Amino acid sequence: ELKVEQNPLFLSMQEGKNYTIYCNYSTTSDRLYWYRQDPGKSLESLFVLLSNGAVKQEGRLMASLDTKARLSTLHITAAVHDLSATYFCAVDGYSGGGADGLTFGKGTHLIIQP
Amino acid sequence: EADIYQTPRYLVIGTGKKITLECSQTMGHDKMYWYQQDPGMELHLIHYSYGVNSTEKGDLSSESTVSRIRTEHFPLTLESARPSHTSQYLCASSGYYEQYFGPGTRLTVT
Repeated sequence: ELKVEQNPLFLSMQEGKNYTIYCNYSTTSDRLYWYRQDPGKSLESLFVLLSNGAVKQEGRLMASLDTKARLSTLHITAAVHDLSATYFCAVDGYSGGGADGLTFGKGTHLIIQP
Repeated sequence: EADIYQTPRYLVIGTGKKITLECSQTMGHDKMYWYQQDPGMELHLIHYSYGVNSTEKGDLSSESTVSRIRTEHFPLTLESARPSHTSQYLCASSGYYEQYFGPGTRLTVT
């Protein structure tokens, strides 16, 4: 059974600081996704990581994937209030067996304070 | 920009009613999914489809049913709604890499 673990689950940080969210998964998969969700909204796709060593950056967010360690990170640089949201990582269950579709972590609730 | 639509966006309904949540996409994707999400929690896959006439149950057991008669349409039905069905339901479709989510239906069963 594919399991996806995120940490931390809650994070309160100050504007201007850097921080990293971690996502570990339990079985082999070559596809890892990061999504953002604002309260009461749907999911917004941030990054799709498709291979070992993949690194993608968009603004103050950078995601990386290490398939050998089964670990992805989402790094926030010089945080601003607008980045406050819940961030989910998800793994494609197809290559890990079981049902198709994505298996999600519990999400990291990020609050950025002035 | 993903074109995936869900209706209704919000629904409050009494116990025992039959409801259908609509989902449609205009991208021609074969794979479609339904996820259930309680507020502030992770998403759980409840149904998926590989294409017309294909439906499968997901990891989370659900009393709902789905159908896939047309590629673009993947409705979810609850024959008899109960308060335990109160949740947000998110529909998604998938190309080769990306999975796109609809805006969701927030269901409250009283």
